[in-house]
Amino acid sequence: GIQVEQSPPDLILQEGANSTLRCNFSDSVNNLQWFHQNPWGQLINLFYIPSGTKQNGRLSATTVATERYSLLYISSSQTTDSGVYFCAGELYFGNEKLTFGTGTRLTIIP
Amino acid sequence: DTAVSQTPKYLVTQMGNDKSIKCEQNLGHDTMYWYKQDSKKFLKIMFSYNNKELIINETVPNRFSPKSPDKAHLNLHINSLELGDSAVYFCASSRTSGGPYEQYFGPGTRLTVT
Repeated sequence: GIQVEQSPPDLILQEGANSTLRCNFSDSVNNLQWFHQNPWGQLINLFYIPSGTKQNGRLSATTVATERYSLLYISSSQTTDSGVYFCAGELYFGNEKLTFGTGTRLTIIP
Repeated sequence: DTAVSQTPKYLVTQMGNDKSIKCEQNLGHDTMYWYKQDSKKFLKIMFSYNNKELIINETVPNRFSPKSPDKAHLNLHINSLELGDSAVYFCASSRTSGGPYEQYFGPGTRLTVT
């Protein structure tokens, strides 16, 4: 199976700061997702991004499939952004398990 | 309008007991999954079902038995619970034909075995 590496493992920022989270894959993936696990444990879908760039408010993500990495950008951080961010990938489109990275724990200080 | 729901949200039980967790999705997806999140927050697939058929069965003890009565439901039954089974169990669903193949997760069931 694929290996998924996330960096950094921990990040502590002041409110208002920007951040970039990275996800590297050991093999090409055909499905890539970013999730935010909030302090209550819910896994919230952020992006479904097998390739290209997407934006949603203060968050954006870019996947360069040929180079096997994806980046998540968070701008103007708010305390509600705190939690653990996971990326996950599938080897094949559909009907295949998501392999998760170990996550980046983000703490936003007011 | 909950997309993927699980019951119960919390489950506290003693070693040796048998318990079930139920999952339902109203997204019209054809594939459902069980994932386990351990104490270090690592998430790993356990099972997946496509149209009620078992597709993925990772190296999970056979005390765990998933059952899918229809495409919208996937239940997880655990026999003879052990301390190491304590974890958060997430149900998920996705479409596997025609795309997009995004997986959506339920709120999780926190299982504590004492």
